[in-house]
Amino acid sequence: DAMVIQNPRYQVTQFGKPVTLSCSQTLNHNVMYWYQQKSSQAPKLLFHYYDKDFNNEADTPDNFQSRRPNTSFCFLDIRSPGLGDAAMYLCATSRDRAGGVWPQHFGDGTRLSIL
Amino acid sequence: AQKVTQAQTEISVVEKEDVTLDCVYETRDTTYYLFWYKQPPSGELVFLIRRNSFDEQNEISGRYSWNFQKSTSSFNFTITASQVVDSAVYFCALSDTIQGAQKLVFGQGTRLTINP
Repeated sequence: DAMVIQNPRYQVTQFGKPVTLSCSQTLNHNVMYWYQQKSSQAPKLLFHYYDKDFNNEADTPDNFQSRRPNTSFCFLDIRSPGLGDAAMYLCATSRDRAGGVWPQHFGDGTRLSIL
Repeated sequence: AQKVTQAQTEISVVEKEDVTLDCVYETRDTTYYLFWYKQPPSGELVFLIRRNSFDEQNEISGRYSWNFQKSTSSFNFTITASQVVDSAVYFCALSDTIQGAQKLVFGQGTRLTINP
């Protein structure tokens, strides 16, 4: 089945130690998104890629960066994680807006803990 | 600015009861899309429905139904004969265009608990 896969499902890192979360998709969608979701809150968009074009949300901290080496893969890098970065990180994909607005398809998420 | 309000933070009902989740939105766009997503305890967001602003017909899918009313800027979701597996957090979302992609503006979510 076509899908969005996030690895790992759970990630534990130390305060200040860089961490990378990964996302892959078999849907061949040209847009990929990263969201941060803290407990009992709605997902918050961090940034998205439209093909190779990177688009950062204005309030996304500089500590968060992303890479998209090809259509299928996208990475979220947190350079120096703080305690406030503990959250669920959700990757999503969608077709672009040509022809309409399409649903975003989400992965299972990576739950990040900071020690 | 786009905004979605889900006033019900938590709802708890007994299995087989009907339950309605409210969603009210604000937008200045004349063309827009609304979505409902389900987030079970496992964490993934599951797409349920998409509705565009030109289509005000209500929709039914099995035990799920959606009532879209532009006059009141509402897009409510009803589960008929609820089941324990319906327990989840439900998010209503509004689309916002960003450079050929789309940004979802989410409501705060409603945590639905179905008790046996």
